[in-house]
Amino acid sequence: DTEVTQTPKHLVMGMTNKKSLKCEQHMGHRAMYWYKQKAKKPPELMFVYSYEKLSINESVPSRFSPECPNSSLLNLHLHALQPEDSALYLCASSQRLAGGDMGGANVLTFGAGSRLTVL
Amino acid sequence: KNQVEQSPQSLIILEGKNCTLQCNYTVSPFSNLRWYKQDTGRGPVSLTIMTFSENTKSNGRYTATLDADTKQSSLHITASQLSDSASYICVVSGPYGQNFVFGPGTRLSVLP
Repeated sequence: DTEVTQTPKHLVMGMTNKKSLKCEQHMGHRAMYWYKQKAKKPPELMFVYSYEKLSINESVPSRFSPECPNSSLLNLHLHALQPEDSALYLCASSQRLAGGDMGGANVLTFGAGSRLTVL
Repeated sequence: KNQVEQSPQSLIILEGKNCTLQCNYTVSPFSNLRWYKQDTGRGPVSLTIMTFSENTKSNGRYTATLDADTKQSSLHITASQLSDSASYICVVSGPYGQNFVFGPGTRLSVLP
């Protein structure tokens, strides 16, 4: 199994709603990531978990709340979002954090994305 | 500052033609470099990954090159197909524990 699965594929929510994006991988990867991507832009890093612990938080507003219940699952809880938060949210995983001595073995594998629209 | 630049920003070619995309990086120390293909509205898919000691790597019609001395990589696509229309993103991995550094991408359009 070499996939990262994201659900839902599409989500429409109002600014007062609470929703969650979910991500799952069974490749034994110990680093998991949330990226936000606007149209015609590269992905922007939001959060990184390493061994189920939050490793990097790129100054993301508190209306986005990540959670890593176990080594295979990564959630992104959404509350009181703004219309400008509408974007493609990508989950990714890798064997370990970037770099180190793993050379070419440490590949960043992405999910298909969750398209979020905030009304 | 760790940065990745890509050129051209966009490219239009006719079906069957070849093209080459460029990636320059300043990430140091360098661990590896990957090229991803991203269809609109979908997650990026890895095409090739290259380490410091590799100069060329092929994946079907895709051939990536790496010059670690000049910190440049290229992605050559031969006999382009309509399905090659996508964004191609260069991602460099540097020091352990740091982020993967993304380039801005090249938008390729293949026309019939």
